[in-house]
Amino acid sequence: QLQLQESGPGLVRPSETLSLTCSVSGGSISNGGYYWGWVRQPPGKGLEWVGSIYFTGSTYYKWSLGSRLTISVDTSKNQFSLKLTSVTAADTAVYYCARPRPQCSSTSCPFEYWGQGTLVTVSS
Amino acid sequence: DIQMTQSPSTLSASIGDRVTITCRASQSINSWLAWYQQKPGKAPKLLIYKASNLESGVPSRFSGSESGTEFTLTISSLQPDDFATYYCQQYNHDSTFGQGTKVEIK
Repeated sequence: QLQLQESGPGLVRPSETLSLTCSVSGGSISNGGYYWGWVRQPPGKGLEWVGSIYFTGSTYYKWSLGSRLTISVDTSKNQFSLKLTSVTAADTAVYYCARPRPQCSSTSCPFEYWGQGTLVTVSS
Repeated sequence: DIQMTQSPSTLSASIGDRVTITCRASQSINSWLAWYQQKPGKAPKLLIYKASNLESGVPSRFSGSESGTEFTLTISSLQPDDFATYYCQQYNHDSTFGQGTKVEIK
């Protein structure tokens, strides 16, 4: 059974960098041809797709996050990571990592497997 | 960005009711639409993909349909486990979610 687990600091200061890692177990990031994704959800609000990455390192980002966002992959550790620079209170959210459903290898897919989510608060 | 307008934002219903939630896309998304259920403190659960395809293991009381750029999630007979928040997601270009519909007990 595929499992995803987010990890990283729960508190980040404004203007600093938010860094999270998604560890995948029960399956290999390198198999299946998926774009693994990050989705976030501000407290009490809706879902927002952040970006996705292929095991080769090809990335696909939400345009409004622009140059602040970097997603990377480490296939040797079966992990992928998110870095968001110059954070503000608007970046406070539960961050989920997720994998698309089978037979969907495009950059945009519905997500079948999700991590439990990790709350990141941006505050001084 | 493709905008997804979901309605209603809140819906009060009773056990056994037929429930309908609507999502309208700002442009054509070629049936590339999914529906999710989310309960408090939990990750979303995929219910339907490509507008009307039921995800494995999801009860058959859930169904999806489309008419142009308007998409509908229907729960044919609301069960206690169905009280939750529901989101649509377009994945035709990038990915955008609707604002959510909270289904409450009437």
